Amino acid sequence: DTGVSQDPRHKITKRGQNVTFRCDPISEHNRLYWYRQTLGQGPEFLTYFQNEAQLEKSRLLSDRFSAERPKGSFSTLEIQRTEQGDSAMYLCASSLTGLAGDTQYFGPGTRLTVL
Amino acid sequence: GDSVTQMEGPVTLSEEAFLTINCTYTATGYPSLFWYVQYPGEGLQLLLKATKADDKGSNKGFEATYRKETTSFHLEKGSVQVSDSAVYFCAASGEEYGNKLVFGAGTILRVKS
Repeated sequence: DTGVSQDPRHKITKRGQNVTFRCDPISEHNRLYWYRQTLGQGPEFLTYFQNEAQLEKSRLLSDRFSAERPKGSFSTLEIQRTEQGDSAMYLCASSLTGLAGDTQYFGPGTRLTVL
Repeated sequence: GDSVTQMEGPVTLSEEAFLTINCTYTATGYPSLFWYVQYPGEGLQLLLKATKADDKGSNKGFEATYRKETTSFHLEKGSVQVSDSAVYFCAASGEEYGNKLVFGAGTILRVKS
């Protein structure tokens, strides 16, 4: 069990550029979640997948955001035409359904800074 | 909507002091309840959890009991250490929360030697 990994750990970009983040979940986990965390706040849910199906998207996820999990393994989160308000920590988590509590395990996060 | 509320920080304690961080949730059912900890520059780590009423989660000297009657899940530790300095998040998940985690705003804990 290597844990949830995310890449890159840090990304600095200019406003208007597109960025893509990757998340590799714990290998046997079928659910994968994306959250966004801004300074001084708790993480806020963005979207989640069960296997390759995207089951829920938050209203926070504007049409500039898109997420995929093409083979039910790793996932990517793309932000198009970045804005300064997109600066945040993007967290990925995974879980295995069927276990009590459906516990989510988090990766280290990708910190995005939009200049 | 359903939410999680935790006490505001920062909480500053001396080493070996007793810690309580309050957390309450809103739900008519029985969500699963969690405490996560975030050390500086790191992601969230699961600290403990409880999945049904009266369950007690415990780990590394921390404890929290699922109290349905008060809809609370307060975090306690009998004797804190400097290494416990971090941000602590209470969270809930389950059917009423749409299978996602809903977090409180976090409580900063600072322990002085």
